[in-house]
Amino acid sequence: GEDVEQSLFLSVREGDSSVINCTYTDSSSTYLYWYKQEPGAGLQLLTYIFSNMDMKQDQRLTVLLNKKDKHLSLRIADTQTGDSAIYFCAESPPYNQGGKLIFGQGTELSVKP
Amino acid sequence: GAGVSQSPSNKVTEKGKDVELRCDPISGHTALYWYRQSLGQGLEFLIYFQGNSAPDKSGLPSDRFSAERTGGSVSTLTIQRTQQEDSAVYLCASSFGSQETQYFGPGTRLLVL
Repeated sequence: GEDVEQSLFLSVREGDSSVINCTYTDSSSTYLYWYKQEPGAGLQLLTYIFSNMDMKQDQRLTVLLNKKDKHLSLRIADTQTGDSAIYFCAESPPYNQGGKLIFGQGTELSVKP
Repeated sequence: GAGVSQSPSNKVTEKGKDVELRCDPISGHTALYWYRQSLGQGLEFLIYFQGNSAPDKSGLPSDRFSAERTGGSVSTLTIQRTQQEDSAVYLCASSFGSQETQYFGPGTRLLVL
């Protein structure tokens, strides 16, 4: 079935690295996404990775993909208080004609000064 | 506009009333999605439009929910005879096509009293 799992909370100190983990179920998903949601706001696309890649780096963000274990992670280097938000991973299964996204429950990241 | 816009940003209604939520996608995007974000259910897909094709309504929770997309652009999500469990944030997203990256609007926060 379709199920994306994330841990619900993560707390880090400002300046430390944050690692948010996600597991997904559909090994044939073509794209995997990370979205950020700040309080009272919509979803902001952070980054995505194509399924034939195992790593993608974009400034402070590093995405690692382990297809064998169906595990996706987002690392935020030098975490700042402005990074405090809920982070959602999402998969886009290819069998799904519409490309609807299947989201995890979201991980609430709290950054303490 | 530069991004997806939604209106109203907040809506309070009484149980049993009908509501209409509007979404303006990014210009040139042919695919449009509606999702619902609620405390108990997380982020759920509702409905998807792609060009002139028949919409994918597989995520609509009941026949009280309907949506249309006029002229391949603006979409309206209608909820008839609202119930308290309809209270949620309704998010709209658009993309260049199916399986392309989805960009989200700020959402409409619906509260049914």
